[in-house]
Amino acid sequence: TQLLEQSPQFLSIQEGENLTVYCNSSSVFSSLQWYRQEPGEGPVLLVTVVTGGEVKKLKRLTFQFGDARKDSSLHITAAQPGDTGLYLCAGSVPPSYGKLTFGQGTILTVHP
Amino acid sequence: EAQVTQNPRYLITVTGKKLTVTCSQNMNHEYMSWYRQDPGLGLRQIYYSMNVEVTDKGDVPEGYKVSRKEKRNFPLILESPSPNQTSLYFCASSYGAQQPQHFGDGTRLSIL
Repeated sequence: TQLLEQSPQFLSIQEGENLTVYCNSSSVFSSLQWYRQEPGEGPVLLVTVVTGGEVKKLKRLTFQFGDARKDSSLHITAAQPGDTGLYLCAGSVPPSYGKLTFGQGTILTVHP
Repeated sequence: EAQVTQNPRYLITVTGKKLTVTCSQNMNHEYMSWYRQDPGLGLRQIYYSMNVEVTDKGDVPEGYKVSRKEKRNFPLILESPSPNQTSLYFCASSYGAQQPQHFGDGTRLSIL
């Protein structure tokens, strides 16, 4: 059983469409991180959300942390082919602050 | 340049032959960790280290060992590798588990 459930696992869309990726858990997280990974490389951090209800924007990407700090979402507006990649959420559950858990990931493909 | 360096990048070996994957970081990070990445399962934490001489199990520690004798190095040891340890392995470092993780480029291990 995954501590962090990501959905959908696969997303194939056309350039210009909007999309949302979800990261859900029954546990409360101290914070959640979102990463993007490209083939042949390690994940790269996009954002960290810390406060319940927090919303962070990174150009066309909007990240939200649920009020209860059990879930998070990533919304991409007007997706571009350059957004293609594997998106991962990750967090740690108190008091196990050293143990970092990742979701299964969402493979996003944006077609020109 | 700030980086996490893993070696080797690729390795094909046989069951039972001890191997070590090295990981070194030049950012003076306290926290280091190892993950394996398998299709559909995301990244799963094997071991982590909060600081020198402090290591702890992640979610999938069976069949692996680690050591943290120096701050910059965190080798992953497979004493008796088995085919189910065939995977893509990533080392990461940061100032803490809830801080941005800096990943290496990965090591692809094939155990025959």
